[in-house]
Amino acid sequence: EVQLVESGGGLVQPGGSLRLSCAASGFTISTYWMHWVRQAPGKGLVWVSRINSDGSNTNYADSVKGRFTISRDNAKNTLYLQMNSLRVEDTAVYYCSTYYGDYGDAFDIWGLGTMVTVSS
Amino acid sequence: SYEVTQPPSVSVSPGQTARITCSGDALPKQYAYWYQQKPGQAPVVVIYKDSERPSGIPERFSGSSSGTTVTLTISGVQAEDEADYYCQSADSSGTYRVFGGGTKLTVL
Repeated sequence: EVQLVESGGGLVQPGGSLRLSCAASGFTISTYWMHWVRQAPGKGLVWVSRINSDGSNTNYADSVKGRFTISRDNAKNTLYLQMNSLRVEDTAVYYCSTYYGDYGDAFDIWGLGTMVTVSS
Repeated sequence: SYEVTQPPSVSVSPGQTARITCSGDALPKQYAYWYQQKPGQAPVVVIYKDSERPSGIPERFSGSSSGTTVTLTISGVQAEDEADYYCQSADSSGTYRVFGGGTKLTVL
């Protein structure tokens, strides 16, 4: 079964750091762009970041640029998101996703998400 | 930064047709994708490349595009279609992905 499982979320104080992981199973991520998308409680989906297949190209939403770093370890079949200088407004469920099937650039595989709460 | 805009809510009675629009300057150049999200669940793609339907998605879901607006149409709405629907696309360069704010579909 093709699956993504996020982990690493939790409660952190403003200004703190967290590292999220996204472990893939049932497929090899090494040929896929991988993305992070977040959703604040009761709010909509927001694209956060993406990384190309070999990790040489990354892009970020303006709201996280300079604070978050996306990376990957294809040998471990895992995607990461290093989050520094966290703000209250970063509180959200963080999903990893990719376009796996033959549906263009549709995000057709999602994990269940990991909750990040930034609060004092 | 680039944005796409959806109405916050749409309401229809069972059996009627629901239409949800999404507007953005880059939509003539970039494909749109539509996702359905039910409470506590991850999103599911219901339309890709403006108007294509993934396998397993009911035929009552369709998509169309005209200029800077794309539309998700749900014909013969059923109670199970009540959910949040998100439009997603990319900026004109294709670099940055963007989601609309979401539309809550209520089946009366």
